[in-house]
Amino acid sequence: GDSVTQMEGPVTLSEEAFLTINCTYTATGYPSLFWYVQYPGEGLQLLLKATKADDKGSNKGFEATYRKETTSFHLEKGSVQVSDSAVYFCALKSSAGNTPLVFGKGTRLSVIA
Amino acid sequence: DAGVIQSPRHEVTEMGQEVTLRCKPISGHDYLFWYRQTMMRGLELLIYFNNNVPIDDSGMPEDRFSAKMPNASFSTLKIQPSEPRDSAVYFCASSKGQIAQQFFGPGTRLTVL
Repeated sequence: GDSVTQMEGPVTLSEEAFLTINCTYTATGYPSLFWYVQYPGEGLQLLLKATKADDKGSNKGFEATYRKETTSFHLEKGSVQVSDSAVYFCALKSSAGNTPLVFGKGTRLSVIA
Repeated sequence: DAGVIQSPRHEVTEMGQEVTLRCKPISGHDYLFWYRQTMMRGLELLIYFNNNVPIDDSGMPEDRFSAKMPNASFSTLKIQPSEPRDSAVYFCASSKGQIAQQFFGPGTRLTVL
């Protein structure tokens, strides 16, 4: 079945450092890909998405490019802030029929001043 | 606009007691999802509804768990009897269409002593 694998955390970075969180997927067809973010004590919220190959999703300085050749959707940010400390979830939605989102296990990011 | 509303936000109960978690989805959304989040198992989809009808409950851990959606604006997740291993944060999410963005509630933190 469909699955998402993301790098295990926690990831600890200093403020203004470059961030990469790796995400790879297994799916048939052409899934849509998402990054959700969960701030402490809150529910998940959509950060960005891409619905077809080579699309780049971006939001709040974060970017991810849908790479079908490597089945990847890595999340990047050029300069992280303390306020980016959260858990980040990669997810996919299959193009095949009535199936729900498949989430990765999440990666905890801590940014220190 | 109000987002997804969950109640209670925190619940502490003793083993063997019945627990009922409540969710009000965003008005106009036709999909509703229940998730459970723990450190050990991450985010798990328990069950989801489309137009108030349960579509897939394969994630419900056992018969002690049940969920209902009597109308488009209300859903419950019940655990009877509760056990300490049910301690987790339970999230409700809704979306308009299954491919669309899921909006998560703030979660209910359940502690079973």
